Amino acid sequence: GAGVSQSPSNKVTEKGKDVELRCDPISGHTALYWYRQSLGQGLEFLIYFQGNSAPDKSGLPSDRFSAERTGGSVSTLTIQRTQQEDSAVYLCASRQGSSYEQYFGPGTRLTVT
Amino acid sequence: AQKITQTQPGMFVQEKEAVTLDCTYDTSDPSYGLFWYKQPSSGEMIFLIYQGSYDQQNATEGRYSLNFQKARKSANLVISASQLGDSAMYFCAMRNAGGTSYGKLTFGQGTILTVHP
Repeated sequence: GAGVSQSPSNKVTEKGKDVELRCDPISGHTALYWYRQSLGQGLEFLIYFQGNSAPDKSGLPSDRFSAERTGGSVSTLTIQRTQQEDSAVYLCASRQGSSYEQYFGPGTRLTVT
Repeated sequence: AQKITQTQPGMFVQEKEAVTLDCTYDTSDPSYGLFWYKQPSSGEMIFLIYQGSYDQQNATEGRYSLNFQKARKSANLVISASQLGDSAMYFCAMRNAGGTSYGKLTFGQGTILTVHP
């Protein structure tokens, strides 16, 4: 079956612009996670969605970052007024409710110039 | 707070030999899960193996086994009969087992494994 998909695969943007990153989880997976992978910080958790519950936003690095998940499926991570330190690979993962395994998407490589 | 430590930035192994990648963890939660993921140069994160904190036996998946020593808080990955395709970055991760961030993964810094022919 189809895995987790993310778009775009690469995004180059100018400092100060807003960007939207999209994640399509595996169908039927109720849990969705966003992570960021950067050279300086390694892999870090950003936000977690579970069903209709309020998301856990504890990993978002600043209020320029936000995310939503519509209809319990597709998620969009938005970064406003991008900064150079936002350059990283943004990974999305989804998990079936009762399972422990997270399936990762291919990531979006964001470069802020 | 949870913490994962991988002390080996890079490891080298000869093809067909076994290699152990180290991972230690710290948590105050009695229930947790430990993972190993492989990240080839293509960037995808590939799940390898999982160990639950209450599992009595060490996890095994094909050529991968997890040497779980709970008292020492270590969860080392053993790869037997290394193959050239095993060359990649390997991450150890811990799953938060409860609360509002259930399933959230905390990752170690990673170990780059290079398999020589």
